[in-house]
This record gives sequence, C-alpha cells and structure tokens, in this order.
Amino acid sequence: EAGVTQSPTHLIKTRGQQATLRCSPISGHTSVYWYQQALGLGLQFLLWYDEGEERNRGNFPPRFSGRQFPNYSSELNVNALELEDSALYLCASSLTPYQPQHFGDGTRLSIL
Amino acid sequence: DQQVKQNSPSLSVQEGRISILNCDYTNSMFDYFLWYKKYPAEGPTFLISISSIKDKNEDGRFTVFLNKSAKHLSLHIVPSQPGDSAVYFCAAISSGGSYIPTFGRGTSLIVHP
Repeated sequence: EAGVTQSPTHLIKTRGQQATLRCSPISGHTSVYWYQQALGLGLQFLLWYDEGEERNRGNFPPRFSGRQFPNYSSELNVNALELEDSALYLCASSLTPYQPQHFGDGTRLSIL
Repeated sequence: DQQVKQNSPSLSVQEGRISILNCDYTNSMFDYFLWYKKYPAEGPTFLISISSIKDKNEDGRFTVFLNKSAKHLSLHIVPSQPGDSAVYFCAAISSGGSYIPTFGRGTSLIVHP
C-alpha cells in the first residue's frame, strides 16, 4: 500500500510569490489534513478536507487556502508569501476522522 | 497558549534502559491521546494511542500511561534501542469537538549504544 505522497520535496520562493503544495492520500482515505511545522514548534493544524469539502480550518490567515479533488488528492496554496511562512508543510490522511492520521514526508518551503 | 506540553525538549538514554517521555495537557475535554515518532526528513508515524477510559495501553516495547486527574500521560519504551532515536510528539483529541489533534512540540530522544 502506497503511503501519503507529497510534492515537491523542497520549494524555494521569494517574498510576495505564491506557492502550491500537493498531496496524494493513501488509497481509500477520504480525509486530508494539512499542518505547518515551523522550526522548534509542534505541528500547527492548517486545514481539513473530507469528501471534497473544507471541514475545519486552523488559526491561519486567508492567504492559506486549498482544495480537495474528486480523487481525494489535495493542494495547499499560500499566497503573498512572507518570510515567516518558511516551514515544513505536512499532509496527512485518514480513513475516518476517528482514526490515527498517516503522514507524508512533507514539503520544505523556504522563503528568501 | 499551549494546550499540550512536552516540557523536555530532549532526552538521552543508554541502550537497554527505559525511556520515559512525558506530556501534560490543560484541556479537560481531551479524551483520546496519541504518540507519533518522527525521523529526520520523514513524516511522523503513528506509534500508540490511549482512550481516556483506560489508564494504560501496551504494544510490544511501548506502553502509554494516562493519569486523567493530573492531566498527564507518559510513553515508556523498554528496552530502548538506538533505532528509537527520533522526535516523539504527543497529541490530544476531543472526540466531542473537531477531532483535529493538538500536538505538543516534541521531545528528541537519543539512545546511545
């Protein structure tokens, strides 16, 4: 069984640009979650998608957005990038919201 | 306002000894707890969980203890192995809420041969 896959592995952008991160969940998983892990911090919840709908959103500004496609893959978009957006972005999926999440290896976003 | 706290950023243990990783929480609505392990350049991997109706859950070398009155849980690894060297995250969920886990900042465990 293939795990959660994320692309790209690394992404380098400059301030003000836009970034798109992609995630493919484990086959059969309909829930996709996005987290930000900044240096020295724990995982901060960003977004939860299930069955194509945004179910919950963390305490992040609106320039963080995303969507889930009919095949349950997802993308995270970050607009007007700021230096503080430099972090590891992790995607996770689960079969149901009541089961442990399975994580991808993340996308390292660096803002210059 | 950290609702889940892992107060020890790092822990160093000798191979074969017990590793004890601690986690405290403040939200009394949390009723399901998980531990994840993370190696460098990899995503977190689910390790073990415990429901608030239990005070102990065991899986091989890993045991999680929950003390609800103290709002404290701990992960015991016995015996510790060098391959256990990783960052361990504690997470808590309120089943009456959003089911989104709240994570601690992690504890880096180093097991010396």
